Amino acid sequence: EDQVTQSPEALRLQEGESSSLNCSYTVSGLRGLFWYRQDPGKGPEFLFTLYSAGEEKEKERLKATLTKKESFLHITAPKPEDSATYLCAPNFGNEKLTFGTGTRLTIIP
Amino acid sequence: NAGVTQTPKFQVLKTGQSMTLQCAQDMNHNSMYWYRQDPGMGLRLIYYSASEGTTDKGEVPNGYNVSRLNKREFSLRLESAAPSQTSVYFCASSEAPAGGNQPQHFGDGTRLSIL
Repeated sequence: EDQVTQSPEALRLQEGESSSLNCSYTVSGLRGLFWYRQDPGKGPEFLFTLYSAGEEKEKERLKATLTKKESFLHITAPKPEDSATYLCAPNFGNEKLTFGTGTRLTIIP
Repeated sequence: NAGVTQTPKFQVLKTGQSMTLQCAQDMNHNSMYWYRQDPGMGLRLIYYSASEGTTDKGEVPNGYNVSRLNKREFSLRLESAAPSQTSVYFCASSEAPAGGNQPQHFGDGTRLSIL
């Protein structure tokens, strides 16, 4: 069965302190990977699709990277408005996505 | 620019009552999904509809039924609510099924409490 693990579960950073979030998965025909951001009381908001190992995508202070076994979401010089839960969802090639449980990121001013 | 709209936003039910959660999308998407989100469990797929006229079970379908009313609307029904169904329910849609690497777009959820 395909498994998805996100780490850490929670991360507190000072404003401007860069870090990375991890999404790892058992390899079973990975076709791509999605990253989402979820604010409290809201639905997940789509951020990136990564299609193949070695690919990188950037949006403002976020950069997502993909290998065959894991993906990283790098956050550079974060601001308080970057505080949210970040979810990853590998695409294993069937009609369903498997979501990780997320990393709850808090940026302290 | 509504995207995915879910109604109601909040609901409290008594054990054994029934209700239907409504979802509509205005993006002309072919595929629609129902998830539940519980603390520590992440998003779990209940049912999905890869295209109009088709529905399939997801990871946790027991106690639920769905109807793909037309291309825009996908409803989720609880026939006899149980406390274990207390959760936040999200509807999502995508241009094509997940295998095609099309991102899913989510509504803001229905917060359901079963007493």
